[in-house]
Amino acid sequence: DIQMTQSPSTLSASVGDRVTITCRASQSISSWLAWYQQKPGKAPRLLIYKASSLESGVPSRFSGSGSGTEFTLTISSLQPDDFATYYCQQYDSVWTFGQGTKVEIK
Amino acid sequence: EVQLVESGGGLVQPGGSLRLSCAASGFTFSSYWMSWVRQAPGKGLEWVANIKQDGSEIYYVDSVKGRFTISRDNAKNSLYLQMNSLRAEDTAVYYCAGNEMATIVWGQGTLVTVSS
Repeated sequence: DIQMTQSPSTLSASVGDRVTITCRASQSISSWLAWYQQKPGKAPRLLIYKASSLESGVPSRFSGSGSGTEFTLTISSLQPDDFATYYCQQYDSVWTFGQGTKVEIK
Repeated sequence: EVQLVESGGGLVQPGGSLRLSCAASGFTFSSYWMSWVRQAPGKGLEWVANIKQDGSEIYYVDSVKGRFTISRDNAKNSLYLQMNSLRAEDTAVYYCAGNEMATIVWGQGTLVTVSS
C-alpha cells in the first residue's frame, strides 16, 4: 500500500502569513493527489484535486503543486477562516491519507 | 447539485451489526468509483473500502476484512456498507465518497458508536 507522510503535524502562523504544507508518497502517484480542509464536527472540504487543480468555489489563495512523490499545499496569505486541519490524500490506488496538519493561530 | 447523503448510523453493542446507506444525486453515480472513509473521534481520516463502477473490483482495509461488505446499486444510485462483528475501535463518523478520474465528491457523514 502507498503511504503518505505529511509535514508538519502542527503549524503556528499569523493572519497574512504564507503557509506551506508538504506531503510525500512512498511511491509515485503521478498527480493523483488531493488536499482537504477540515474543521471540527464538519466533513472534509475538497480544496485541490489532481495535485494542482483548484476546486470550484475555493479561494485562489490556496494552491497545490508537485507530481510523483512530492507535493505541497500553499496558502498565500492566511485568513482567519483558514485555521483548520489539512489532509492530503492519494487516489492513485486504494485511498490513503496523510496524518493531517493542524494550522493554529500564533 | 452534487450530493451524497449517508444514513444508518447509530449506537450498537460490540459484536452487533449495522448497515450504512449512501444516496447519490446530481451526478452520474454509475461512472464513479465509490468509497467509505471513517474518522474516529479526535483522529485522522481512514479509508475503509471501495468498489468499482460495475462492482467487479472491491478492496478493504485490513482491519475490516471479513467483517464489512461494501456494495452498490447503480439503478438506485446507492452505496452500502454492511458492518458485522462490530468492535469499539469501529466507532467513527463514516463518510461516503466517490471519484471519477480526478473529480472527488463527499457526503456529510453518519456517526457509528459501538458501545455496551
